[in-house]
Amino acid sequence: QVQLVESGGGVVQPGESLRLSCAASGFTFDSYAMHWVRQAPGKGLEWVAVISYDVTIKYYAASVEGRFTVSRDNSQSTVYLQMNSLRPEDTALYYCARVEQPVVTYYGIDVWGRGTTVTVSS
Amino acid sequence: QSVLIQAPSVSATPGQRVTISCSGSNSNIGSNYVYWYQQLRGMAPKLLIYRDSERPSGVPDRFSGSKSGTSASLAISGLRSEDEADYYCAAWEDSLGGPVFGGGTKVTVL
Repeated sequence: QVQLVESGGGVVQPGESLRLSCAASGFTFDSYAMHWVRQAPGKGLEWVAVISYDVTIKYYAASVEGRFTVSRDNSQSTVYLQMNSLRPEDTALYYCARVEQPVVTYYGIDVWGRGTTVTVSS
Repeated sequence: QSVLIQAPSVSATPGQRVTISCSGSNSNIGSNYVYWYQQLRGMAPKLLIYRDSERPSGVPDRFSGSKSGTSASLAISGLRSEDEADYYCAAWEDSLGGPVFGGGTKVTVL
């Protein structure tokens, strides 16, 4: 079945970096755009970044633009989120998620991973 | 403040019908599909409705979605205790290059 498994979360100090990974299985990964969405403790969902199936499109939320970089390795069925200059407000559960239609980027999400927790604190 | 506006909470008794509204604008709901997600406590979100009103396989027909102009709604009929969860709407935002979410509506089954 379709599965997304995030990893790489942890506790870091402000200004430090972290790289999240999301391993996909059960579908043709290189045909689907992928998102990162986060959820701060007790808060709602906040979109972070999206990468198209062919890496030609990368968009970021204003709150992370210039600090976070999304990438993917289709040969490894993995999407990444490089997070630099982390701030306390980046503390959240980070979900990897799949767009519901192959090839297109601007459709919604149909599958979510379980998330990986990032805590930024001094 | 979320771009898509939802009521923070709604409560009802088992068997009742609950409607959750999601208000947006021409650049999101007005020109793109709406999606609805259910998030049970401590769990990842789950897709309930896609492309305004379509139900994925496995989602009970008690859940239905609709859209009119720049607003959308999720209806839950025959409310059950296991429906107690947070519900989020989402739509692509043309000016952002990504999706926007509602703030979420907590459904409490009395």
